[in-house]
Amino acid sequence: QKEVEQDPGPLSVPEGAIVSLNCTYSNSAFQYFMWYRQYSRKGPELLMYTYSSGNKEDGRFTAQVDKSSKYISLFIRDSQPSDSATYLCAMNFGGNEKLTFGTGTRLTIIP
Amino acid sequence: GAVVSQHPSWVICKSGTSVKIECRSLDFQATTMFWYRQFPKQSLMLMATSNEGSKATYEQGVEKDKFLINHASLTLSTLTVTSAHPEDSSFYICSAPQRSGELFFGEGSRLTVL
Repeated sequence: QKEVEQDPGPLSVPEGAIVSLNCTYSNSAFQYFMWYRQYSRKGPELLMYTYSSGNKEDGRFTAQVDKSSKYISLFIRDSQPSDSATYLCAMNFGGNEKLTFGTGTRLTIIP
Repeated sequence: GAVVSQHPSWVICKSGTSVKIECRSLDFQATTMFWYRQFPKQSLMLMATSNEGSKATYEQGVEKDKFLINHASLTLSTLTVTSAHPEDSSFYICSAPQRSGELFFGEGSRLTVL
């Protein structure tokens, strides 16, 4: 069993829809949770960075962490074609610790 | 967000030559930087942790003599692929954590070995 599980997709949704991306993890020691967006042939771009259980909102993006269930989510509202990318969840134990990544979900927003 | 710069963004070299990739944190200091490798349509694979002022820590299965890492200052880490071969062709990405713990990535360097 992988430490972090993420559905690789591909996921296709129409423009304007709400997108839900999810990851589960097995190690309860993970403390910090991140979502990255990666366009083809580019480095990952940090979208959301969270620590505690609960919701964090930034524009059209909402990150949700449920430590009791070891489950994290990223919601994208009013999805745009420019949101088409691979989304990676990642987590670590804190500080300068290395990240453990999910496999990434390929998302396509259909105009 | 913080900026991490990588150079070159792409490089083509002949088999047997060495290639150096630079990773710089432009607006913050990083005592630690991470080097990843990514194959097409796959997730990032951590190769090594670069530590300023000390030796890098390599992940299992990564040849330290093949992939030389030097963390020369608090804003610069370099990865040198020595005696490159076609199987070393890949996308190499560095990242650096800010003091807050947020981890930022460079734009990546695409290496093609002929």
